[in-house]
Amino acid sequence: DAGVIQSPRHEVTEMGQEVTLRCKPISGHNSLFWYRQTMMRGLELLIYFNNNVPIDDSGMPEDRFSAKMPNASFSTLKIQPSEPRDSAVYFCASARTDEKLFFGSGTQLSVL
Amino acid sequence: GENVEQHPSTLSVQEGDSAVIKCTYSDSASNYFPWYKQELGKRPQLIIDIRSNVGEKKDQRIAVTLNKTAKHFSLHITETQPEDSAVYFCAASKTSGSRLTFGEGTQLTVNP
Repeated sequence: DAGVIQSPRHEVTEMGQEVTLRCKPISGHNSLFWYRQTMMRGLELLIYFNNNVPIDDSGMPEDRFSAKMPNASFSTLKIQPSEPRDSAVYFCASARTDEKLFFGSGTQLSVL
Repeated sequence: GENVEQHPSTLSVQEGDSAVIKCTYSDSASNYFPWYKQELGKRPQLIIDIRSNVGEKKDQRIAVTLNKTAKHFSLHITETQPEDSAVYFCAASKTSGSRLTFGEGTQLTVNP
């Protein structure tokens, strides 16, 4: 298995632009998580899905952030409009129920 | 919700020495405690995990202990090597495959 696949690996954009991050979970995994990593705040859970349904989005910082999972093999995290404080590494991770969590390679986002 | 605290934030040891990283958690309902290793610029990778029905688990040079009464768990690395240098994260959740709350991370440096 190729593991959790994220794209793009790096994204540089200007403040105010829309940013879309993409994730393909491991086949057969029914839970998908979006984490954000910064030096100041560490690894924060933004949102997670179970069987494509959002279960907990309490970590989403504000209305500028939205996430979707239209099917079992694809999820997106969108930021609109982006701000410099959104600069971070965004990780997608997936797991089967009662099994281990695997991370993707992350997307390094820089908002100028 | 769950709160996980991790100490120390940085740890420097000589090659061959042991390293110990400690974590406490707040939610007595947590039952699953994984440890992740993150090398610079890479994704967090699971190195060992323990469930609440076990007090200790070992895998070659790494071991994890759990004290559920005191709500703390520790990572032990023996015979450290330079390639053990990385950031280590502890985490807690109610079950594996569910949302993980991470500690702040420990930067381990093993000096040759």
